Amino acid sequence: SAVISQKPSRDICQRGTSLTIQCQVDSQVTMMFWYRQQPGQSLTLIATANQGSEATYESGFVIDKFPISRPNLTFSTLTVSNMSPEDSSIYLCSVVRPGNLYEQYFGPGTRLTVT
Amino acid sequence: AQRVTQPEKLLSVFKGAPVELKCNYSYSGSPELFWYVQYSRQRLQLLLRHISRESIKGFTADLNKGETSFHLKKPFAQEEDSAMYYCALGGSNYKLTFGKGTLLTVNP
Repeated sequence: SAVISQKPSRDICQRGTSLTIQCQVDSQVTMMFWYRQQPGQSLTLIATANQGSEATYESGFVIDKFPISRPNLTFSTLTVSNMSPEDSSIYLCSVVRPGNLYEQYFGPGTRLTVT
Repeated sequence: AQRVTQPEKLLSVFKGAPVELKCNYSYSGSPELFWYVQYSRQRLQLLLRHISRESIKGFTADLNKGETSFHLKKPFAQEEDSAMYYCALGGSNYKLTFGKGTLLTVNP
């Protein structure tokens, strides 16, 4: 499995501000994804982070609200912009390693509370 | 559209009893199905995938294409099996669609 870390592990933010979440992997991976898990809900895919190009967003998620960067094969960031209380969630990154195309490994998550 | 249904939000059994966590899917292609588990205060982790046909921690899951199901089973539940279980369906571009999850509690 891959060792995946996320920073910060949790944060409390005021509405209208932005937070950038980092995801770091200990080895090169094929794909990186960002998910949201709202309280009491399942995981919802936000976007696929593409290395060296713009992320691919799922329906209901837009780049202006959730800009994503992936400058190399082991690192990605997700920014939650202009936050509102509805953005309070756990945000998770996941990765797919070469040769294991559907097996996703998840980071520990970032618990965000917006007041 | 791709969809995963886990009808039971909560499931409670006694230690040593059999357990079955239900999962049904909707997918037009050939499905890739997984079970993920999240123990208390731990990250989400892959439990098993249908293509490997293996038993992990005593759990098995059989893909039934006729019933579009991928139920997770264990003949004798243990207290350490208490966790949140998610069924997931692989789609295009290796993306996963998750069910809403079932919280399994195994009582002593």
